[in-house]
Amino acid sequence: AAGVIQSPRHLIKEKRETATLKCYPIPRHDTVYWYQQGPGQDPQFLISFYEKMQSDKGSIPDRFSAQQFSDYHSELNMSSLELGDSALYFCASSLQIWRYNEQFFGPGTRLTVL
Amino acid sequence: AQSVTQLDSQVPVFEEAPVELRCNYSSSVSVYLFWYVQYPNQGLQLLLKYLSGSTLVKGINGFEAEFNKSQTSFHLRKPSVHISDTAEYFCAVGSGGSEKLVFGKGTKLTVNP
Repeated sequence: AAGVIQSPRHLIKEKRETATLKCYPIPRHDTVYWYQQGPGQDPQFLISFYEKMQSDKGSIPDRFSAQQFSDYHSELNMSSLELGDSALYFCASSLQIWRYNEQFFGPGTRLTVL
Repeated sequence: AQSVTQLDSQVPVFEEAPVELRCNYSSSVSVYLFWYVQYPNQGLQLLLKYLSGSTLVKGINGFEAEFNKSQTSFHLRKPSVHISDTAEYFCAVGSGGSEKLVFGKGTKLTVNP
């Protein structure tokens, strides 16, 4: 079965640079979630989109922005990168006709900021 | 607001011993509960989920969990662990619709020979 695809899997950037992370949800899933997992930490919710509209917002820095496109893929744009942005970034997708929000997670993008 | 408490940050056990990883949650609405496993340098894999119905939920790799509404708990159990079960386990709570998942801090299970 098709899973959530994230690219790139690994990314190394310098401080103050920008980064773009991409997420391709499971086909026909209409909702995308972004989570950040710092070293030794639990995943923290950043932002979610349903039908290309932002549906919820968590602890996402103002330096980050995200959007969901017409084909339902999503991109997380990160600017003015800081050392503390080094983390594993997960994307998850779900289908909203379900009454519960079982989220399927991608393998993550590991971002290292030097 | 929802929250999840995993009472043990680390659990060391010997191979073939039983294990219980504890999870308590708080929520003002009906919840759905999940356990995820994360192997080193890998993503999150769903172990099992409670949505409704039977309070005893069976998952993959021989794990099971019991939902206890009165104690607001969702403890994960396995009667006999293997070395390969060494990983970090996250309990998470969600609600209906497009709600985000709220994760606990995780429990590192280490299975020793």
